Amino acid sequence: SQQGEEDPQALSIQEGENATMNCSYKTSINNLQWYRQNSGRGLVHLILIRSNEREKHSGRLRVTLDTSKKSSSLLITASRAADTASYFCATVFTGTASKLTFGTGTRLQVTL
Amino acid sequence: DAGVIQSPRHEVTEMGQEVTLRCKLISGHNSLFWYRQTMMRGLELLIYFNNNVPIDDSGMPEDRFSAKMPNASFSTLKIQPSEPRDSAVYFCASSNPGQALPSSYNEQFFGPGTRLTVL
Repeated sequence: SQQGEEDPQALSIQEGENATMNCSYKTSINNLQWYRQNSGRGLVHLILIRSNEREKHSGRLRVTLDTSKKSSSLLITASRAADTASYFCATVFTGTASKLTFGTGTRLQVTL
Repeated sequence: DAGVIQSPRHEVTEMGQEVTLRCKLISGHNSLFWYRQTMMRGLELLIYFNNNVPIDDSGMPEDRFSAKMPNASFSTLKIQPSEPRDSAVYFCASSNPGQALPSSYNEQFFGPGTRLTVL
């Protein structure tokens, strides 16, 4: 399967702490994207990182990409209760008619 | 912009009945994706269209499932006949060309989903 795998499957932290989620994939990619899904809602795009990029920032989010290790990480700094959600990485593999393949997700719980 | 619109939001039906899910793309977007999400299988791509043309339907479970784009802004996903194992949340998403082609390389905008329960 080309599906990405996220680690950990679940993460519980306190408000103000940083949260780090990891994503691994198996074949070469064009880009990798991170999405958030609140309970009962659709997915919301957070950030896209291309295969020739190593790091991107967006507000409290920091994404890294290591194509040699076929892995990416999402760091949320100074977490808030509102960050409680499931987070998915999604990859666009090269040579696959450009469709997104979603990982299994990390469920993040931020407590007060 | 209202975003991607899906209807109905919830559907409860009995096994054997026909189910039609509807999706309206964001204006200007030219790629449309149908996904299914279950606890067991996660988020699966069923089919996607570029400029109204189906590009990849390899994720469609079987012949009971069909999808159409009668125009550039609207799509339907039909299940006939429905079975209990089809129970899931069905999402559609759209994307636009933006800076990259094909547009499916770009971020996708998801609708709120349709929760389908087949009894």
